[in-house]
Amino acid sequence: DVKVTQSSRYLVKRTGEKVFLECVQDMDHENMFWYRQDPGLGLRLIYFSYDVKMKEKGDIPEGYSVSREKKERFSLILESASTNQTSMYLCASSPPTGTGTQPQHFGDGTRLSIL
Amino acid sequence: GQSLEQPSEVTAVEGAIVQINCTYQTSGFYGLSWYQQHDGGAPTFLSYNALDGLEETGRFSSFLSRSDSYGYLLLQELQMKDSASYFCAVRDKSGNTPLVFGKGTRLSVIA
Repeated sequence: DVKVTQSSRYLVKRTGEKVFLECVQDMDHENMFWYRQDPGLGLRLIYFSYDVKMKEKGDIPEGYSVSREKKERFSLILESASTNQTSMYLCASSPPTGTGTQPQHFGDGTRLSIL
Repeated sequence: GQSLEQPSEVTAVEGAIVQINCTYQTSGFYGLSWYQQHDGGAPTFLSYNALDGLEETGRFSSFLSRSDSYGYLLLQELQMKDSASYFCAVRDKSGNTPLVFGKGTRLSVIA
């Protein structure tokens, strides 16, 4: 089974701090994604990556950056945390999709609170 | 742009059948997927439809009509453990592109 592991289940940080959320997958997937999930808003894509050192902006990249130095690891960075970034953050990975689809495999999420 | 519409909440009785609808408006279309997420858990893949028609996997089925930009997830013989949120998702571009998710339907199964 694919395993996507997020470094923390719960995290509490203060406004203005630089926050790192780590995600590791063990299935050699090319694609990795970061979403945030808020009540009533569903899953919103922050950033995604199709290869090492490659990144693409999603729908809500403002206030975030990412890093993918190794294939198995995709990090989300909150440059200067703000209270409106309090949310559930979900990481996912998948093989390349081509013309069909490949299921995305999600981690258990990090519930981040910014005080 | 793209948008997906699905009901925010559905309630159904244990043992019954429930249908969760999804309509989409996208510039392109490369298939409709469904994901399930239990409270506090990770979303998990349920099904994928690229062509019109019904796909069945056990108690769950998924249907697609590309001409109507519409699909649904059908859950039969409902069990309490089916209480969860269900998300439809589409790919609106070819190639290696991310999914676009709907806002989710919260299904409550009652006794």
